[in-house]
Amino acid sequence: DVKVTQSSRYLVKRTGEKVFLECVQDMDHENMFWYRQDPGLGLRLIYFSYDVKMKEKGDIPEGYSVSREKKERFSLILESASTNQTSMYLCASSTGTGVTEAFFGQGTRLTVV
Amino acid sequence: LAKTTQPISMDSYEGQEVNITCSHNNIATNDYITWYQQFPSQGPRFIIQGYKTKVTNEVASLFIPADRKSSTLSLPRVSLSDTAVYYCLVGPTGNQFYFGTGTSLTVIP
Repeated sequence: DVKVTQSSRYLVKRTGEKVFLECVQDMDHENMFWYRQDPGLGLRLIYFSYDVKMKEKGDIPEGYSVSREKKERFSLILESASTNQTSMYLCASSTGTGVTEAFFGQGTRLTVV
Repeated sequence: LAKTTQPISMDSYEGQEVNITCSHNNIATNDYITWYQQFPSQGPRFIIQGYKTKVTNEVASLFIPADRKSSTLSLPRVSLSDTAVYYCLVGPTGNQFYFGTGTSLTVIP
């Protein structure tokens, strides 16, 4: 089974801190994604990566950056955390060709205080 | 990207068949239709995918008319454990997965 693992289930950070959310997948998938989920807004795509060192912006990239130095790992970085970035963050991965499905991690609930 | 429209919420009694319809008027020729299910505090998981006509698996059926401008997810004889949010996606386009707000299904005893 595909496994997508997010490093933390819950995080509490202070405003202005630099925050790293880590995601690792074990199925050699080309594509990796970061979403945030907020009540009433569904899942919104922040960034995705289709290869090592490659990234593209999703719908809401402002305030975030990403890093993909190895194929299995995709990191989401909040350069200076703000309270409006309090949310559930979900990482996903998928194969890179043809019709495919996304496999999700369990999510990281981030609270910025 | 093809936009999808789904009902925000639905209620159903246990044992009934539930049909959730999704509109996707701008679906492209090479787009597939995929449905995901999300339980509270979990990531979404794949349920079913189709291109046209009907697809059935052990969990659900997916009905797609000839014009492909809509699709219907059918859950037979729902139970309380089917209470979840259901997302309809069209694509992937450029290997992107765009989720909307989904349909929150509540199964009532």
